[in-house]
Amino acid sequence: SQTIHQWPATLVQPVGSPLSLECTVEGTSNPNLYWYRQAAGRGLQLLFYSVGIGQISSEVPQNLSASRPQDRQFILSSKKLLLSDSGFYLCAWSVRHYPEELFFGSGTQLSVL
Amino acid sequence: LAKTTQPISMDSYEGQEVNITCSHNNIATNDYITWYQQFPSQGPRFIIQGYKTKVTNEVASLFIPADRKSSTLSLPRVSLSDTAVYYCLVGDYKAAGNKLTFGGGTRVLVKP
Repeated sequence: SQTIHQWPATLVQPVGSPLSLECTVEGTSNPNLYWYRQAAGRGLQLLFYSVGIGQISSEVPQNLSASRPQDRQFILSSKKLLLSDSGFYLCAWSVRHYPEELFFGSGTQLSVL
Repeated sequence: LAKTTQPISMDSYEGQEVNITCSHNNIATNDYITWYQQFPSQGPRFIIQGYKTKVTNEVASLFIPADRKSSTLSLPRVSLSDTAVYYCLVGDYKAAGNKLTFGGGTRVLVKP
């Protein structure tokens, strides 16, 4: 069966520090991968999505970046965190068939202080 | 990607049926309609998906009129554990790299 792993579960970082969140998927190949962010009490904001290794589409230019070094690995990064980067970060994957269904990880609660 | 509009919140009582309507006036021919449920501090979970008419599974029903410009998620006999945020998504899932964008969702509160 397919599983998605996302870590860490919680993270407290000072303003200006770097960030690296990792997400891996098991049990499937060639998935679509997504990064979402959710501010407290708000809906989900799509940050990045990827259809293959090295192929990243950005929805939010800001100070975040994403990379997909391997087929089932998706990394969210920042060189310098801002207070506004605080939120709940969710990784998701989907099989590229018709129709798609999103499967979400357990999320990372990031607090930038 | 078709934009969706949902009510911000709804209150209900245990044992009642909850119906949440989502408007998607510019839905495209290849678009499917999908509903997700999210509990606090968790990722959304797939509930149901449909293209037209009615779809039913073990947890919900999805009603889609002929013009497909709206859809209604029906949760029968809700319990306290159904308190959550419900999201409606519309998208062409065949498209490579589909931007699956969530709207604001509907916050459902089930009261005892």
